[in-house]
Amino acid sequence: AQSVAQPEDQVNVAEGNPLTVKCTYSVSGNPYLFWYVQYPNRGLQFLLKYITGDNLVKGSYGFEAEFNKSQTSFHLKKPSALVSDSALYFCAVRGFNDYKLSFGAGTTVTVRA
Amino acid sequence: EAGVAQSPRYKIIEKRQSVAFWCNPISGHATLYWYQQILGQGPKLLIQFQNNGVVDDSQLPKDRFSAERLKGVDSTLKIQPAKLEDSAVYLCATRREGAVSTDTQYFGPGTRLTVL
Repeated sequence: AQSVAQPEDQVNVAEGNPLTVKCTYSVSGNPYLFWYVQYPNRGLQFLLKYITGDNLVKGSYGFEAEFNKSQTSFHLKKPSALVSDSALYFCAVRGFNDYKLSFGAGTTVTVRA
Repeated sequence: EAGVAQSPRYKIIEKRQSVAFWCNPISGHATLYWYQQILGQGPKLLIQFQNNGVVDDSQLPKDRFSAERLKGVDSTLKIQPAKLEDSAVYLCATRREGAVSTDTQYFGPGTRLTVL
């Protein structure tokens, strides 16, 4: 069975500082990995995905994520956080031959001015 | 292109009542999902359609939940009768391609259900 762990319920950073949101996964075979962001009273918005190729994936709003197969991780990063990045972030995984997307429990990011 | 549309955005009902949610996918998207997101948790898949056929409904509580996707476009999710534990946000997501493609799921704004 596939699963995702987001070990931190909350991440707090100051505006302008680097932001990292951690994600580890478990899946049979090659993974497809996704990051979504959810603002209050909104649906999930797609940020980026890893399918194959370069381990560093760049996405929307200046976010990027690094796929590390040996550590089964897909951490989300942003070099300089903005107050507007404050939201709930979800990591999700699918197996190569699977169709079901499994989500982590989410990490609440708060960026203080 | 227009996004995934859902209605209503909010619904408050009493337990044992029935409720229905509607989803209109992005034009041309073959695959449609309904998720339940309980406060503090990630979305949990309830049912997946490809066109108008069900791919997976293993997590759907079929004694009270039902869903359909007539003509392979719009979809409705119904709960009858509702229980207190059904209070959640119900998210619809769609994807252009079929089941095992690498395509991205796009989510609607969700319907927040409160059962009193």
